Amino acid sequence: NFMLTQPHSVSESPGKTVTISCTRSSGSIASNYVQWYQQRPGSAPTTVIYEDNQRPSGVPDRFSGSIDSSSNSASLTISGLKTEDEADYYCQSYDSSNHDVFGGGTKLTVL
Amino acid sequence: EVQLVESGGGLVQPGGSLRLSCAASGFTFSSYWMSWVRQAPGKGLEWVANIKQDGSEKYYVDSVKGRFTISRDNAKNSLYLQMNSLRAEDTAVYYCARKSRGIRNWGQGTLVTVSS
Repeated sequence: NFMLTQPHSVSESPGKTVTISCTRSSGSIASNYVQWYQQRPGSAPTTVIYEDNQRPSGVPDRFSGSIDSSSNSASLTISGLKTEDEADYYCQSYDSSNHDVFGGGTKLTVL
Repeated sequence: EVQLVESGGGLVQPGGSLRLSCAASGFTFSSYWMSWVRQAPGKGLEWVANIKQDGSEKYYVDSVKGRFTISRDNAKNSLYLQMNSLRAEDTAVYYCARKSRGIRNWGQGTLVTVSS
């Protein structure tokens, strides 16, 4: 199996752009889709990116996802940061045995 | 609108059992893989189990294999998680989720506390 590694925390100012990385330990990042989930304090997670770079309806286009095979990582970029974006963000993928894998989560502080 | 509503959580002693349920609506339940995901207090998300549309394939995280069983009733639009031989480390909020490769929709969760 593989692991997904995320930074524990990131911080940025309102209006700026932040990027959260998610590095796959083994196997190609491109071999299975990556999803990103947002979890605000005290709430259930919600999906902000699926299938590497697709946004569910209702998610603003300030959120974007990408993958980079050279670094074997996925990234979530949030532009025009708002205080409401302050949350924990988790990346997730799956292996060939239909087992899901979550990253450890990144706490985003907007200050 | 997709809705997933979990129930069945509560306080249980170590070694005990609990059955979680998830009532689904707003989509064709029988067309989707479904999952259980948990989150221990103050910790990250952990995948627990997946089940195929017709229930013919089931997958589990190693830590619950042989103790937990995922099942579904497509006629009732319901997902279940039977949890036996519960341990303190199973204490968590358990989320029901609709899958399409990744998770598309999440329930609000139900809290399971394993303690004497």
